[in-house]
Amino acid sequence: EVQLVESGGVVVQPGGSLRLSCAASGFTFDDYTMHWVRQAPGKGLEWVSLISWDGDSANYADSVKGRFTISRDNSKNSLYLQMNSLRTEDTALYYCVKGGDLDYWGQGTLVTVSS
Amino acid sequence: SYELTQPLSVSVALGQTARVACGGSNIGSKNVQWYQQKPGQAPVLVIYRDSNRPSAIPERFSGSNSGNTATLTISRAQAGDEADYYCQVWASTTHVVFGGGTKLTVL
Repeated sequence: EVQLVESGGVVVQPGGSLRLSCAASGFTFDDYTMHWVRQAPGKGLEWVSLISWDGDSANYADSVKGRFTISRDNSKNSLYLQMNSLRTEDTALYYCVKGGDLDYWGQGTLVTVSS
Repeated sequence: SYELTQPLSVSVALGQTARVACGGSNIGSKNVQWYQQKPGQAPVLVIYRDSNRPSAIPERFSGSNSGNTATLTISRAQAGDEADYYCQVWASTTHVVFGGGTKLTVL
C-alpha cells in the first residue's frame, strides 16, 4: 500500500523559514518523480514544485521560485521542501504527491504564516 | 502560461449523469487527470491520461478529451459523489497546472 506522510508544518512568522518532510513507503521511491502541491484554506489546488527520480532536475511555480527548494533522499525514501522568506500567502496545506500522473497524495501538513 | 478553466459549480439530480468540463487551449493534445476531493480529505485520482480509471474507482466515472475541452462524466450520480473535482495537465515537461475546481452537488 502506497503511503505518503508529510510532517513539519507549523506556525511561522513572515520572513521565516521551514522545512517540510514526506516519508514514502509502499512503492519503489527512486522510480518516481515527486511533487509538492498546496491548498490555501478554502481555495483550490496549486502545484508548487517537482523533482526528478534522481534529484537531478527540479522545477518550481513562479510564486515560489527563488524561495523554496525541493530535494529528496532516495536512501531514506524521503522528500523535502525547504521554504524560505515565507509570506502570508504561503499559508496552506502542503501535500506530497507521487508520480507523473500524481496518483497518490499524502494527507498534508499545514503551514501557517502569521505574525 | 497555460490555464485551465472549470465551472465553479455543477448540479445533478440523484441517479442522473453529471458532466464537468475543463477548458484549455488545445487541451486535446495533452493528457488530463481528474481528482475528487471531499471535505477534509486529500484529493483522490479518479481519471488519468484522459480516460483511464484507477482500479478502485467505479465504472460510473469516465473521461474524454478533445479540442479545447476535457470532460469528466459521472453516470448514475450518488450522494457520495458530492465533492470538488479538479482537472490537471502538464503545461510543459517541467510544470503542472490545475483547474480552479468544480463543486458537484447531487440534488
